[in-house]
Amino acid sequence: GAVVSQHPSRVICKSGTSVKIECRSLDFQATTMFWYRQFPKQSLMLMATSNEGSKATYEQGVEKDKFLINHASLTLSTLTVTSAHPEDSSFYICSAGGGTGGTGELFFGEGSRLTVL
Amino acid sequence: AQSVAQPEDQVNVAEGNPLTVKCTYSVSGNPYLFWYVQYPNRGLQFLLKYITGDNLVKGSYGFEAEFNKSQTSFHLKKPSALVSDSALYFCAVRDSNFGNEKLTFGTGTRLTIIP
Repeated sequence: GAVVSQHPSRVICKSGTSVKIECRSLDFQATTMFWYRQFPKQSLMLMATSNEGSKATYEQGVEKDKFLINHASLTLSTLTVTSAHPEDSSFYICSAGGGTGGTGELFFGEGSRLTVL
Repeated sequence: AQSVAQPEDQVNVAEGNPLTVKCTYSVSGNPYLFWYVQYPNRGLQFLLKYITGDNLVKGSYGFEAEFNKSQTSFHLKKPSALVSDSALYFCAVRDSNFGNEKLTFGTGTRLTIIP
């Protein structure tokens, strides 16, 4: 199946710093990628839809200035957590589809665990 | 709006017994239904999907799911559970009316297979 790579898998940072997480589709082009946040023992919360060449679409309640998304190419989307605080500590997961118009499954990265001290 | 319900937070099954993880959905159009599995500190792995056709769908690792339109359900099943099946399972739905790839996930069911 298609492969989505996410990096870094773990990151620890100090409060107030910014952290960038990369999501790459390795063997297919993804015009759309999705960013999720998962709290311990909870489901995935969709944060935003990343669109190649245009602005991301954020879900209600997600601060777009806090969570910057850039989809610079058909194989790369980045999520930057700006001025991170301990409450931003979470497991962040990206996903991408194969552009099948809705009938295909999404492929997920391995996730990035962010810990803000 | 599309939604998914997984009524059981936790399911425990003895190794070798059949297992069922329940899922019901709500969409305005025709549903596209998916099951994913998540192991600790990992992303989600695709198991199977229903788009159209045969109501019984077979997927990875011996799992299958049955689409039941009248009951709006898509329960995940396996005839004989393995300890390695212990993981977190997510049901997801996409509304065919929307024509995009956005998925709505259930809250997840933690499956524990007891040796």
